[in-house]
Amino acid sequence: QTVLTQPPSVSAAPRQKVTISCSGSSFNIGNNFVSWYQHLPGTAPKLLIYDNNKRPSGIPDRFSGSKSGTSATLGITGLQTGDEADYYCGTWDSSLGAWVFGGGTKLTVL
Amino acid sequence: QVQLVQSGSELKQPGASVKVSCKASGYTFTDYGLNWVRQAPGQGLEWLGWINANTGIPTYAQGFAGRFVLSLDTSVTTTYLQISSLQAEDTAVYFCVRDWGVLVPTYFDYWGQGTLVTVSS
Repeated sequence: QTVLTQPPSVSAAPRQKVTISCSGSSFNIGNNFVSWYQHLPGTAPKLLIYDNNKRPSGIPDRFSGSKSGTSATLGITGLQTGDEADYYCGTWDSSLGAWVFGGGTKLTVL
Repeated sequence: QVQLVQSGSELKQPGASVKVSCKASGYTFTDYGLNWVRQAPGQGLEWLGWINANTGIPTYAQGFAGRFVLSLDTSVTTTYLQISSLQAEDTAVYFCVRDWGVLVPTYFDYWGQGTLVTVSS
């Protein structure tokens, strides 16, 4: 049972916008920074967002992150077929003394 | 540029041990933490633990202390994951991952290419 809850799947058409939610508690999201990762099958995951809403160099501004209370959200605009991947949120859980990932969300670009 | 290069795929029998290495380059090794994350077939990402490259002190996720041992050798800027008493459920791709945390992991910016460990008789 994962500590961070994500929807198993989301879908949208090319050029549209999608959001992926990540719900936790005061022990994790509520009091720690959230990061987001994109994982294409057969490759290493890639950091998309760190510290809730910051983008590493090279990540387009189509990707955005936000946090409110014990939930975080990843937004992707201008969807492309190349965005089809699994997306994971992650953060430190102070109660468990461990890093936790969400269960992952599969994005399909129809 | 920052690189994390892992050792190659392993096929092991149940009960055996395996040691996966991760060679870091392109940055000051002791300035960052190193984590291990795995993905079993059809499953999500699972954090196993991390090691503070400055102190060499590891921290394990619940359920991974004991059979899983994290270590490092600063002289060759390499971190290791050793798994003993391998079980079929340990079959997964194992990633080493750099993070910015000093006291605890904060975010994972560079990932190794992954090492497939298959446990099968």
